[in-house]
Amino acid sequence: SAVISQKPSRDICQRGTSLTIQCQVDSQVTMMFWYRQQPGQSLTLIATANQGSEATYESGFVIDKFPISRPNLTFSTLTVSNMSPEDSSIYLCSVEVDKQGFGYTFGSGTRLTVV
Amino acid sequence: AQRVTQPEKLLSVFKGAPVELKCNYSYSGSPELFWYVQYSRQRLQLLLRHISRESIKGFTADLNKGETSFHLKKPFAQEEDSAMYYCALRGSSASKIIFGSGTRLSIRP
Repeated sequence: SAVISQKPSRDICQRGTSLTIQCQVDSQVTMMFWYRQQPGQSLTLIATANQGSEATYESGFVIDKFPISRPNLTFSTLTVSNMSPEDSSIYLCSVEVDKQGFGYTFGSGTRLTVV
Repeated sequence: AQRVTQPEKLLSVFKGAPVELKCNYSYSGSPELFWYVQYSRQRLQLLLRHISRESIKGFTADLNKGETSFHLKKPFAQEEDSAMYYCALRGSSASKIIFGSGTRLSIRP
């Protein structure tokens, strides 16, 4: 299965600033997914990132707040913009392993605290 | 609309007792169902997928389309099974998966 490197692993940021999270995969993948896991909550899909096209955002998430780049088939970034304490969460990237239903691999996550 | 429901936030059982983590789903087509596990300080990892009909670490899960359920079972719990367990669904026409709210399994010695 694919190996995902995600960084930073954690950060403490001032409100009003932005943080860019990087996700690197050791193989080419068509789709990459960005999730948010708020404290004590489950994973919520933010957006799906396809190479060469704009990301597809889920209800409640907008591009201005969470811009995503996908410059090639092994890399993606998620930016959390104009942060507030409510953005404090773990952010995870994920890729689909294969289309035979094997499942998805997840990065180790970025723990973001906004103060 | 797709939905995954895990009714129990916390399940605590004694070591050696049977375990059943409940998962119900809502989807109009033929979904793919998964169980993911997250051990303390580790990343989320795939435990089971329904199409493989396999047993991993003694866990099994059967897709019941009539009851729209995909409960996770293990006959004899072990202390190392303590973790967060998430049921997840992928629709037949989509690539994204959605997660249930998770169940924290605690195995008492």
